[in-house]
Amino acid sequence: SQQGEEDPQALSIQEGENATMNCSYKTSINNLQWYRQNSGRGLVHLILIRSNEREKHSGRLRVTLDTSKKSSSLLITASRAADTASYFCATDMKSSGDKLTFGTGTRLAVRP
Amino acid sequence: DAGVIQSPRHEVTEMGQEVTLRCKPISGHNSLFWYRQTMMRGLELLIYFNNNVPIDDSGMPEDRFSAKMPNASFSTLKIQPSEPRDSAVYFCASSVGWADTQYFGPGTRLTVL
Repeated sequence: SQQGEEDPQALSIQEGENATMNCSYKTSINNLQWYRQNSGRGLVHLILIRSNEREKHSGRLRVTLDTSKKSSSLLITASRAADTASYFCATDMKSSGDKLTFGTGTRLAVRP
Repeated sequence: DAGVIQSPRHEVTEMGQEVTLRCKPISGHNSLFWYRQTMMRGLELLIYFNNNVPIDDSGMPEDRFSAKMPNASFSTLKIQPSEPRDSAVYFCASSVGWADTQYFGPGTRLTVL
């Protein structure tokens, strides 16, 4: 199974609302990253949070990390139609050569 | 920097034909990754290289798939012979180190008829 499992698989909200996506993982990590993918395009890096950090902000994005629960959340505040995309978490596990492993993604639709 | 460059952007071929996908990573990046993405299976890591050396090819589906990285600025993913189930979007990504932020190319959409 995937190291990173996003929840929910799909999310539909109204423009202006906040969107929260969650990621759970199984083994200890060095850091966790969030990526975004617009339809038909490659993934784009959004934010990285290290295992010793609990919260990080970037513009309208807020990421939290709870290593005791092996979970992370991505919050997008004041969503816009342009935020419509799939969002993936990626972890580099302390085992398996530390390479990044991507989750299954959350499809976010923001209705104008 | 132009970012990761992939070619072709679209490929339509017939079953049994050889397909070669190409990737030019970002200059100075030491790691290169090949992914396949489908609706059914999501994003799958096929193989990755570090300093031009294949590190993990456990994701390569079968012997029909092969990948090479003859130098730091070029990699190929070859499928021979191709089958309809190989239809997918194939992404190349590069990073400074293999656990660092990855930069993805635009992808090659492969359709095998």
